[in-house]
Amino acid sequence: AQKITQTQPGMFVQEKEAVTLDCTYDTSDPSYGLFWYKQPSSGEMIFLIYQGSYDQQNATEGRYSLNFQKARKSANLVISASQLGDSAMYFCAMREVFSGGYNKLIFGAGTRLAVHP
Amino acid sequence: DTEVTQTPKHLVMGMTNKKSLKCEQHMGHRAMYWYKQKAKKPPELMFVYSYEKLSINESVPSRFSPECPNSSLLNLHLHALQPEDSALYLCASSQATGDGYTFGSGTRLTVV
Repeated sequence: AQKITQTQPGMFVQEKEAVTLDCTYDTSDPSYGLFWYKQPSSGEMIFLIYQGSYDQQNATEGRYSLNFQKARKSANLVISASQLGDSAMYFCAMREVFSGGYNKLIFGAGTRLAVHP
Repeated sequence: DTEVTQTPKHLVMGMTNKKSLKCEQHMGHRAMYWYKQKAKKPPELMFVYSYEKLSINESVPSRFSPECPNSSLLNLHLHALQPEDSALYLCASSQATGDGYTFGSGTRLTVV
């Protein structure tokens, strides 16, 4: 069975500094996808970044980058130059693929990030 | 249009009420999903519709009844809910390949 583990319940960072949020995963499928979502207190799930298992390079999206270490089964999110608006819950998720044309996301427990001025 | 729209944003209902949650997307996605998220927990999958057919029901109690009238709309009908059903209900959609997985902003449900 697929499993996602986020071991940091809470993290804090000073504004303008970089922070790394940890995510490890377990799957026996050779093809998989990993997502990071941000969830502010308003509740919406905001897509940040995606890494496919066959992607050769680490994914980047603006201030977000994914440190993908396939052999270690880790997919850590790096946020550079933190901003106060980055304070939120962050979820790592893995995609479980079904042949019927749909995917199920399996989420980690989440990490609450607080950015301090 | 790259959004998934959920209505209402907030809902308070009694245990004997019947209400519905609505989800709409116009991205041409053929898979739509309902997730339930309790406070301080990750989202958990409830239902999946693929090409307007129910593909996954994660053993959800029958007081939750999903409906997919067309490829753009997904409803969740609620009846005789319990206070423990209070949660954030998130709708999502994706392409059949799983690409473009997009969530709505959620409906915060309180059962009194």
